[in-house]
Amino acid sequence: NAGVTQTPKFRILKIGQSMTLQCTQDMNHNYMYWYRQDPGMGLKLIYYSVGAGITDKGEVPNGYNVSRSTTEDFPLRLELAAPSQTSVYFCASSQWTSGGPAYNEQFFGPGTRLTVL
Amino acid sequence: AQTVTQSQPEMSVQEAETVTLSCTYDTSESDYYLFWYKQPPSRQMILVIRQEAYKQQNATENRFSVNFQKAAKSFSLKISDSQLGDAAMYFCASGANSKLTFGKGITLSVRP
Repeated sequence: NAGVTQTPKFRILKIGQSMTLQCTQDMNHNYMYWYRQDPGMGLKLIYYSVGAGITDKGEVPNGYNVSRSTTEDFPLRLELAAPSQTSVYFCASSQWTSGGPAYNEQFFGPGTRLTVL
Repeated sequence: AQTVTQSQPEMSVQEAETVTLSCTYDTSESDYYLFWYKQPPSRQMILVIRQEAYKQQNATENRFSVNFQKAAKSFSLKISDSQLGDAAMYFCASGANSKLTFGKGITLSVRP
């Protein structure tokens, strides 16, 4: 199993450009997440998905969009990039069932470092 | 809602010594988990240890153990026999309803 993979590893964008960060998991997990990590800070949840076709906002969703057409893929779209979106982006996945344990372990990808100039 | 506070931005420990990293949290959930994650320079998030809130016994994983004080909402990580490979950023996190809330992290350096 490759686990959670993210592409690209690094990217530099100009202000106003758009891009899509790719995330794929091969563990057949139902939950997937996007986080951002600003310098010297912890991870903050941008969006998450509980299954194909279902997404919901996290703590910091402004400036981003997501879609989940398959179990495996959860791309994050940045429209009109701004310097405030300079960050490291992590994708994660987990298998969770409502009514089960409060939490099941999240598996993280290696991250994408994005710089907006 | 959940909040996690790590008030120490940096700590240093001598190799082979013991160090304790502090964390406090607040949550409105009755069923939750607590975690410590390690993030080395490679950026990969590595789960170090986890604690189910309903368990009174403190979790232990080899050289890593926690001191979980539920009433005080405190969750500290103790690293024994520190090794050079322990140098990293460490994040405390709280999990409920399959979502995680992270603290700001603490940078741990290990002196040879």
